[in-house]
Amino acid sequence: GQSLEQPSEVTAVEGAIVQINCTYQTSGFYGLSWYQQHDGGAPTFLSYNGLDGLEETGRFSSFLSRSDSYGYLLLQELQMKDSASYFCAVRRAGNTPLVFGKGTRLSVIA
Amino acid sequence: ETGVTQTPRHLVMGMTNKKSLKCEQHLGHNAMYWYKQSAKKPLELMFVYSLEERVENNSVPSRFSPECPNSSHLFLHLHTLQPEDSALYLCASSQSRRVYQETQYFGPGTRLLVL
Repeated sequence: GQSLEQPSEVTAVEGAIVQINCTYQTSGFYGLSWYQQHDGGAPTFLSYNGLDGLEETGRFSSFLSRSDSYGYLLLQELQMKDSASYFCAVRRAGNTPLVFGKGTRLSVIA
Repeated sequence: ETGVTQTPRHLVMGMTNKKSLKCEQHLGHNAMYWYKQSAKKPLELMFVYSLEERVENNSVPSRFSPECPNSSHLFLHLHTLQPEDSALYLCASSQSRRVYQETQYFGPGTRLLVL
């Protein structure tokens, strides 16, 4: 079967850096996506890693290591508006649905 | 309007009621999805339509009935629901030759409470 593990909650200080980890077990792994969801809002796509390494988009970066079945989302220069839930999602080979993690609730404090 | 819209945003219904959730995407996508989001659980895929044909039905109880009249609209018809069906129901769309292979764009969801 498939499983994704990510921490349920993370708290960090405004202006700091936070890393949200995601480990996965799945067959036919193809890539790892990250989504952000504010309370009462829609999940929005943040990034996708199809290859090992780091992808950077502004203050957000995402990393993948296929050999370790592991990825992370890195948020720099944290802002209060970054308080949200962050989901990793595995994309598998073939025409199969995304598999989502349970989400990590990030709280940014002053 | 742009993106993916859902109505209503909030719904309270009794177990004997019949209601429908509506989703509309303004992105020109060809695939649409229904997800269920419950507290402390992963997003659960319910149904997928590609080019208006259902391609996925994840063992969802028959009290949930989807309808996709065209590529821009998706409905979820609800009847005789149970309290455990209370959740956030999210609609999403994507543009792809192969469903699932592209980024999904989500609507804001309908918060459903079944009494």
